[in-house]
Amino acid sequence: KAGVTQTPRYLIKTRGQQVTLSCSPISGHRSVSWYQQTPGQGLQFLFEYFSETQRNKGNFPGRFSGRQFSNSRSEMNVSTLELGDSALYLCASSQDRNYGYTFGSGTRLTVV
Amino acid sequence: KQEVTQIPAALSVPEGENLVLNCSFTDSAIYNLQWFRQDPGKGLTSLLLIQSSQREQTSGRLNASLDKSSGRSTLYIAASQPGDSATYLCAFSPWAGGGNKLTFGTGTQLKVEL
Repeated sequence: KAGVTQTPRYLIKTRGQQVTLSCSPISGHRSVSWYQQTPGQGLQFLFEYFSETQRNKGNFPGRFSGRQFSNSRSEMNVSTLELGDSALYLCASSQDRNYGYTFGSGTRLTVV
Repeated sequence: KQEVTQIPAALSVPEGENLVLNCSFTDSAIYNLQWFRQDPGKGLTSLLLIQSSQREQTSGRLNASLDKSSGRSTLYIAASQPGDSATYLCAFSPWAGGGNKLTFGTGTQLKVEL
């Protein structure tokens, strides 16, 4: 059974650019959530998508957005990148929260 | 707002020692609790999941407990090995909201030495 796949693994972008990260959940999982991990703030919830609809949203600016496709794959977009957006972005998929969450390996974003 | 604290922040032990990692939370209205480990620069690996109605879960050398009345969860690692070296995180799913939103603890960085 394939796990959660995140692409790309590493990204280097310049301030002001935008970036799109991708997450393919485990087959059959309809919920995909995104987290940002930084040394200073730890792991913080960005948003969750379920059946192509955003179901939960964390406290991040509108520059952070996402979407989910009919096959449950999800993308996250960050516009007008800032240095502080440098982080490990993790995606988690879930069949149902009774069964917990499975995380991908993450995308390491560096903004220079 | 749920506040989750993990103590200690870092721990170094000799191989073979039994150890306990602590996770404290402020809001007892949790749906379930999940323990993860994270190796440097990698994603999270799920270790144990405890539902709100359960008191503990075991998997191999790992045992996790949940005490909502005291706002505590502990992860017990028996006979620690160098391969256990990693950062351990606890995370809570809240009752309210119904969706999938985890609140993470601050993490305990464990080093098991030969």
